[in-house]
Parts: sequence; C-alpha cells; structure tokens
Amino acid sequence: GESVGLHLPTLSVQEGDNSIINCAYSNSASDYFIWYKQESGKGPQFIIDIRSNMDKRQGQRVTVLLNKTVKHLSLQIAATQPGDSAVYFCAEKLAGGFKTIFGAGTRLFVKA
Amino acid sequence: KAGVTQTPRYLIKTRGQQVTLSCSPISGHRSVSWYQQTPGQGLQFLFEYFSETQRNKGNFPGRFSGRQFSNSRSEMNVSTLELGDSALYLCASSGTGDLYEQYFGPGTRLTVT
Repeated sequence: GESVGLHLPTLSVQEGDNSIINCAYSNSASDYFIWYKQESGKGPQFIIDIRSNMDKRQGQRVTVLLNKTVKHLSLQIAATQPGDSAVYFCAEKLAGGFKTIFGAGTRLFVKA
Repeated sequence: KAGVTQTPRYLIKTRGQQVTLSCSPISGHRSVSWYQQTPGQGLQFLFEYFSETQRNKGNFPGRFSGRQFSNSRSEMNVSTLELGDSALYLCASSGTGDLYEQYFGPGTRLTVT
C-alpha cells in the first residue's frame, strides 16, 4: 500500500541541541522525498528534498538522510531554535506520479 | 512574487449544504493540487490539476470535485456536506507538471455543523 509513517509523534529538544526526526515509507517505487514544516495557522512549507539516487543532502542547518535499504528517511536540524517549533511532515512521490503522500507528522517542541 | 492564495480562509456550513473553495496559484504555476488535513487522518491528497485537466485523484467520494480554469486558478467543490468533512483544505501549486516542489497556501478552514 501507499503509506508514509513517522516513528515519533512528538519530539522535545533543548534550544541549541540537534534534532532528528525520523520517517518510514513503504513504497519502494517512490523516487522523491520531501520534508515540510507546518507552523500553526499556516500551510506546509518546503524545507528540503532528496531524490532516490542520493543518500544525503544538506541545506542550511538541515540535513536529510535516505536509507533505501530499510525505507527510512530522517531530517536533522542543527542547533535547534525556538522558531523551529512546528509540525514536520515527510512526504514521498512515486516516479512519474502527480500526487504527494504525506506522513502523519511529528510535532517538535523546542525548550528555551 | 505573490504566494498561493486561498479564499475564503474560514467557512461554516450546515450538514447537507455544498461549498466551493478557491485557490489562486503562484503566477506562472500550472499545476494545482488539493489536500484535506484533519487531526485524525493527517494530510490526504484530493486531486491534482494541470492545464485544466485532472491528472490524479485521491481516495475521496464523488462528493468532492474540482476544476481548473485557463488562468490556472482552481476551485474545489464538496456537495452534501457531512460532519466529517470539517477540515483544513490546502491548495498547493508547482511550476510545471514534473517539478515536485510544491508551494502551499494558508488553507481554508471548513467547519460543518
């Protein structure tokens, strides 16, 4: 079936620490993965993406890791800040597909 | 460049009524997707339009429909509203049919009473 799941629904970290949000996907035909951040009252915002022919991609303070062997995706946020508090979604797209399948979401709390 | 806009932002309807939601994509974007977001089901794909054609549809009943106009603006309609249709409806646009990065609007919060 098509499903993308998250291991932890809630994650609480201390300001300045690194955060790791994990995601499992089930469709081995997916060729593109995205992380979104959603703040209260707003739509999801693109953070970073990765294609299936890569296993790591870095952005500003964020890194996405892809392990196709175990169908696992993770988002690492360095030096987490209060402004990072939000719900984070992983999502996947099938090759040539036009729809995005979203995971359940993980709420990140950053403690000052 | 202006972002994705959705109107109205909030809506309250009664069971059995119908509703039409509107989405204006980012200028130049031709692909528009719609999603339903609820606490219980998360973000679920409704349908995607490109150049006025529906290219993909999610697993929703026929009460949910949509269309896209020649200027890429899109509307979705829900007929015979049910209490379970209460949700945040999100619209996202992307530059071409093959580009994956989507830009989301703020959503329309629909409450069915």
